[in-house]
This record gives sequence, C-alpha cells and structure tokens, in this order.
Amino acid sequence: GNSVTQMEGPVTLSEEAFLTINCTYTATGYPSLFWYVQYPGEGLQLLLKATKADDKGSNKGFEATYRKETTSFHLEKGSVQVSDSAVYFCALQDMFSGGYNKLIFGAGTRLAVHP
Amino acid sequence: DAGITQSPRHKVTETGTPVTLRCHQTENHRYMYWYRQDPGHGLRLIHYSYGVKDTDKGEVSDGYSVSRSKTEDFLLTLESATSSQTSVYFCAISEGTVNTEAFFGQGTRLTVV
Repeated sequence: GNSVTQMEGPVTLSEEAFLTINCTYTATGYPSLFWYVQYPGEGLQLLLKATKADDKGSNKGFEATYRKETTSFHLEKGSVQVSDSAVYFCALQDMFSGGYNKLIFGAGTRLAVHP
Repeated sequence: DAGITQSPRHKVTETGTPVTLRCHQTENHRYMYWYRQDPGHGLRLIHYSYGVKDTDKGEVSDGYSVSRSKTEDFLLTLESATSSQTSVYFCAISEGTVNTEAFFGQGTRLTVV
C-alpha cells in the first residue's frame, strides 16, 4: 500500500543553520504531498503542499519540491530559528476505494534549534 | 483557526472500562477523521466519516467504534479500554475534495491504567 518514510530524528541545529528533512513516498497513483508541523502541546497544522510533479510548495521560509522521479518531497529551510523547533510530518493524500480521501503520515521528525 | 473542539483534553481510565471521546466542528466539513499518535508511528488512522451515519475503518480500527449522528459531531468509543490504547488522539476535518488540507483538533491524551 501507499506509505511515507521520513528521516529519523531528532535533528538538532544551531540558529541560522540550513535544514533538510528527507521524505520519500510510495504510491500507486499521483498523490498530493504535504508537510504538517506540530508545535508542543498542539495539533498539526499545514505548513505547505504540492499537488503535482515538479510543484514547489513554500511557506514561512520552508520549501519542498515534488520529485516524481525520486518519489521524494524533502523539506528545506535556509536559516532556521529557535521558533521552528517542532515536529514535522510528511504526508500524502491517498484515495480510498470508492474515491474518498485520507492522509497517510510519516513517523515525524523532531527538530530542535538552539541559540 | 478552524473550529474543532476535542473533549476531554486529558483522561485517565482503568483497563476494561468504556471511554468516549468527542470531536465537535463548526466548519460544516464533510469529512471527519480520528487518528492516534504514538512515538515512532506518526499518525495512524483509526476511523473516518464521509457524512452523517457514513463511517468506515482505518488501518488501526480494532477495539474502536465511531458514530456520527450529526454533521458537527464525531464520537470515538473504546468499548473496553486496554493499556495498548494509551495514546494521544487527534480529530481532523476536511472538505474532502482532492488536494484540500485537513484541520486538526488539539488532541486528547488518554492514559489507560
């Protein structure tokens, strides 16, 4: 079945460092891809998305490009801040049999940024 | 913020007792989902609903049941709680069309002792 694999964390960086969190997926069709972020004590919120091959999603300085040839959707940010400390989830939107949607999540990657 | 309220936010219960978690939305979204979050597993889908009285199982549905009698409410019931159901439970909603985002509640932390 469809699945999402993320790099294991935690990822620990100094402020202003470059961030990459790897995400690869397995899908039979052409899913939409998402990055969600979870701050401590909160639910998940959408960070960015891409709906077709070669699309680039971006938000708050984060970017990810939908790479069909490598089945990847890596998250990047050029200069992280302490406030970016959170857990990041890669997800794909799959179709149930019958045409209904669901989100399939990776295991999550914890990012810790220190001053 | 999307109008999603989960209740209770925290609960401790004993093994073998029934537990019901409630998700309430004010967005009139068609789809509602229950996920559980466990370390190393990300979020796993328990059950989902695509309309009033229309529900189906997700990947980890054993030991759980759901009901949706109104558009705004989606209930998750653990008929007889077990320690393996200790987790953080998240409700999510979406309009359900392709490429639309899901909005999440703040979660319910359930501990089964």
